[in-house]
Amino acid sequence: GDSVTQMEGPVTLSEEAFLTINCTYTATGYPSLFWYVQYPGEGLQLLLKATKADDKGSNKGFEATYRKETTSFHLEKGSVQVSDSAVYFCALGDFGNEKLTFGTGTRLTIIP
Amino acid sequence: DAGVIQSPRHEVTEMGQEVTLRCKPISGHDYLFWYRQTMMRGLELLIYFNNNVPIDDSGMPEDRFSAKMPNASFSTLKIQPSEPRDSAVYFCASTPNGATSGGHTDTQYFGPGTRLTVL
Repeated sequence: GDSVTQMEGPVTLSEEAFLTINCTYTATGYPSLFWYVQYPGEGLQLLLKATKADDKGSNKGFEATYRKETTSFHLEKGSVQVSDSAVYFCALGDFGNEKLTFGTGTRLTIIP
Repeated sequence: DAGVIQSPRHEVTEMGQEVTLRCKPISGHDYLFWYRQTMMRGLELLIYFNNNVPIDDSGMPEDRFSAKMPNASFSTLKIQPSEPRDSAVYFCASTPNGATSGGHTDTQYFGPGTRLTVL
């Protein structure tokens, strides 16, 4: 079945550091890939997504590229801010299916 | 748009009591999902509906849990009787019809969640 494996947290970085959160997936079809973010006390919200190989999703300075050859969708940001402190979830959805398979989440804390 | 609305935001109850969580999806969305989030188990899909019909309830933990969607703008998740291990944050999410976006999985829009504490 489909699965998503995320880098285990928690991750603590200083402000302006470079961020990478690793995500790899297993899927039988042609999935869409997502990163969701959950700020404290809130529901998940979409950060970015990609629907086919080599697509790059980007939003708020975050980027992730859909790599079919390595089955990966790593999240990156060049310079993190305190306001980026949150839990980040990688997820996939099979083509034609509205159900999402989520990773376990990675808690990110940015220190001023 | 008001987004997905959930009520109550917080619920504290005693073991054995019935609990009803409510969700209003975004207007025009065809799919509705119920999730549970705990530190131990992370985010779990409990059940989801398409056009008010339950499609997959394999995540519902046991018979004490039930969900309904009587119309396109309202869904409930009921726990009867509640137990302390049901304490969690319960999220509702909705999504448009994926067929309109070429078959790719659509973005899910989450509500703010209901924090349930069973004493």
